[in-house]
Amino acid sequence: RKEVEQDPGPFNVPEGATVAFNCTYSNSASQSFFWYRQDCRKEPKLLMSVYSSGNEDGRFTAQLNRASQYISLLIRDSKLSDSATYLCVVNAPYGNKLVFGAGTILRVKS
Amino acid sequence: NAGVTQTPKFQVLKTGQSMTLQCAQDMNHNSMYWYRQDPGMGLRLIYYSASEGTTDKGEVPNGYNVSRLNKREFSLRLESAAPSQTSVYFCASSEVTGTGGFGYTFGSGTRLTVV
Repeated sequence: RKEVEQDPGPFNVPEGATVAFNCTYSNSASQSFFWYRQDCRKEPKLLMSVYSSGNEDGRFTAQLNRASQYISLLIRDSKLSDSATYLCVVNAPYGNKLVFGAGTILRVKS
Repeated sequence: NAGVTQTPKFQVLKTGQSMTLQCAQDMNHNSMYWYRQDPGMGLRLIYYSASEGTTDKGEVPNGYNVSRLNKREFSLRLESAAPSQTSVYFCASSEVTGTGGFGYTFGSGTRLTVV
């Protein structure tokens, strides 16, 4: 079983739509959670951290469910510029490293 | 601009050749990492360095060696390249020792093809 699992997509949505991505992680001892964004042929960049109480940054909302070991990302009012691969990331308690999911592809179309 | 600089950006090697990927950061971060990214596999950790003078193996270290030359620089060496090492390589650094409390900053990547 992969440590971090994501639906690879692609999710094809029209501009203005709301889209949600989910992610599950296997290690219950993980303490830090993130969403990264990766554009085609570019490096990953931190989109937002995910906190237990849930957090919002503009059109983006992240949620964490520790009991179910589940992380989500909600994007409202999708823009063409949101088209990218979204990586779910958790810390590996052993050795203090980050573990990356394989990513979910989002395509926003006009 | 502050950040992580990787060289080269592109490289083609013949099987059996050796090369070193260079990485330098100017953010005074303690921790540095080398990942490889393959289609459908996500980023996999090759080696990391929690602080200057220390290095540890990650998930896929076979066929690679690393050197943490100083706090700024962390290089990755392929001693005898194999086609299975064709990939995109990313270097990253973080302020916190690996827990990612402040996230990672990545370099722009090296696209390596081994023929």
